[in-house]
Amino acid sequence: EVQLVESGGGLVQPGGSLRLSCTASGFTFGNHAMNWVRQAPGKGLEWVSGISGAGGSTFYADSVKGRFTVSRDNSKNTLYLQVNSLRVEDTAVYYCARGWTDCWGQGTLVTVSS
Amino acid sequence: DIQMTQSPSSLSASVGDRVTITCRASQGIRNDLGWYQQKPGKAPQRLIYAASSLQSGVPSRFSGSGSETEFTLTISSLQPEDFATYYCLQYNNYPWTFGQGTKVEIK
Repeated sequence: EVQLVESGGGLVQPGGSLRLSCTASGFTFGNHAMNWVRQAPGKGLEWVSGISGAGGSTFYADSVKGRFTVSRDNSKNTLYLQVNSLRVEDTAVYYCARGWTDCWGQGTLVTVSS
Repeated sequence: DIQMTQSPSSLSASVGDRVTITCRASQGIRNDLGWYQQKPGKAPQRLIYAASSLQSGVPSRFSGSGSETEFTLTISSLQPEDFATYYCLQYNNYPWTFGQGTKVEIK
């Protein structure tokens, strides 16, 4: 069974940092691009970042470019999102999704507040 | 960036009704579009990919159509479990972009 499990969310002050993780199982992780999508409370979905299967290509939404960094460790079947210089408006549930978003994790909540 | 304009933003419908949701892309995206259903507190689930291909396990009352700039999600006969919010997503070009969502409520 394909499974994606996010972790690493929490409460952080503005300007702070977190590293989100997404651990995959049930498929050959390195064969698939991966994506991060977020959803602010009561709002719609926003694509945040994507990374190719080998990790050589990365993509970002303009709203996070220069502050967020996506990476992966295929030996650990894990996707990461390093989120720096956090703003109140980054408060959201962060989901990881496989490839063309056929499978999603349950999400991890990031709250940015003083 | 490609803008996705989804309509309506909400609708009220009864069980058994036919429901149609539309997404318009600001430029041609071939058929690089998916449709998603999200229920409160849950992750989105993909219903349709490549504009018209039904995701495995999704009931056949869901269908998608369209190409380039105009796309439609149709629910042929609304069921109680279909009351949810629906989103389109274009993955033709980075940055990927979602429509604003359509909340389907019980009439």
